[in-house]
Amino acid sequence: GESVGLHLPTLSVQEGDNSIINCAYSNSASDYFIWYKQESGKGPQFIIDIRSNMDKRQGQRVTVLLNKTVKHLSLQIAATQPGDSAVYFCAVASGGSYIPTFGRGTSLIVHP
Amino acid sequence: NAGVMQNPRHLVRRRGQEARLRCSPMKGHSHVYWYRQLPEEGLKFMVYLQKENIIDESGMPKERFSAEFPKEGPSILRIQQVVRGDSAAYFCASSPEGQKLNEKLFFGSGTQLSVL
Repeated sequence: GESVGLHLPTLSVQEGDNSIINCAYSNSASDYFIWYKQESGKGPQFIIDIRSNMDKRQGQRVTVLLNKTVKHLSLQIAATQPGDSAVYFCAVASGGSYIPTFGRGTSLIVHP
Repeated sequence: NAGVMQNPRHLVRRRGQEARLRCSPMKGHSHVYWYRQLPEEGLKFMVYLQKENIIDESGMPKERFSAEFPKEGPSILRIQQVVRGDSAAYFCASSPEGQKLNEKLFFGSGTQLSVL
């Protein structure tokens, strides 16, 4: 089965800094990767996704990088804002199992 | 277009009682997933349903837990004879009909179950 882990349970940054949240996965057959943001008292909200045929994908202020060689992905948030404070989860799925497996989450704390 | 609706938001039960959690997917979505989240942990998959069918229940405890998604009405996650260890946030997610199954999920706000 798949196991998904994040490297740090908590990340504290200053407003305006760039944030990098990392995630590792175990199944080399994984081909779809998603980042979710969960604010307190709410359900996870989709941020950005990437498929295994890509190494990088950019959204608004966010970038996801995928390194299939070491089975690692990261979420980069540019110019972090207080509203970015939340728990961030990576989720991984493969063509053989359509159900995303979630990591434990990294709590991002943005200090004004 | 309303999002995924879950109710109740908070549910308190005493040990041995039954808990019923409801989930109405987004309009036009016919795939429903249930996840459980313990404090400071990630989401653990429980069950995946389509209308009137359980597709994958590999994450569901074998006893006391059941789920359904009838032709009409919301999806129901039912927990019989609740125990304190069932206390958790239960999230429902839906995805559109016709898309690849490994597309992004749309989550509801969850039901926080507290067992006294």
